[in-house]
Amino acid sequence: GNSVTQMEGPVTLSEEAFLTINCTYTATGYPSLFWYVQYPGEGLQLLLKATKADDKGSNKGFEATYRKETTSFHLEKGSVQVSDSAVYFCALTVNYNQGGKLIFGQGTELSVKP
Amino acid sequence: GAGVSQSPSNKVTEKGKDVELRCDPISGHTALYWYRQSLGQGLEFLIYFQGNSAPDKSGLPSDRFSAERTGGSVSTLTIQRTQQEDSAVYLCASSNLKAGYNEQFFGPGTRLTVL
Repeated sequence: GNSVTQMEGPVTLSEEAFLTINCTYTATGYPSLFWYVQYPGEGLQLLLKATKADDKGSNKGFEATYRKETTSFHLEKGSVQVSDSAVYFCALTVNYNQGGKLIFGQGTELSVKP
Repeated sequence: GAGVSQSPSNKVTEKGKDVELRCDPISGHTALYWYRQSLGQGLEFLIYFQGNSAPDKSGLPSDRFSAERTGGSVSTLTIQRTQQEDSAVYLCASSNLKAGYNEQFFGPGTRLTVL
């Protein structure tokens, strides 16, 4: 079946530190991959996406590259800010153009200290 | 413009009661999704609507759960004879498949507590 595994949290970093949140997936077919973010007290927001192998999604200084050979989609940011504190979810869908449901990882809580 | 809205934001009910949760998608979005977010299970897909029909309801956990969508817009998720394990945040999302692009926009959720 299709599944997503991401590193457990919470992750605590100091401001301006480098961030990596690991995400690996198992999927039949050719999935599209996403990172969603949930800020405290807010709903889920799409952070970035990649729809085919070797695509790099980027937004707000965050990046993730779709690696088919390692079935990974790790989230990175070079210099985190306190405002990046949130829960991050890696997700996939295997029917991107046909209304496919999202399958989520368990979420990783990030806390950035000043 | 207006995003996805859900009501109520919080619902506390007694075990065995029925509850209805409402979702208003973004205007013009053809696809609508229900998910559930709970501590033990993370984020789980429940059901997907395209227009008023539900091509994928594979995530509904039991026959106590049902959903409908009318007029290609508002959706209602109904849980009958609620159990304590139904306590969770129920999230609704919509997307505009007409544009050939399936970014799902999420509502703020309804927090359901079953006592």
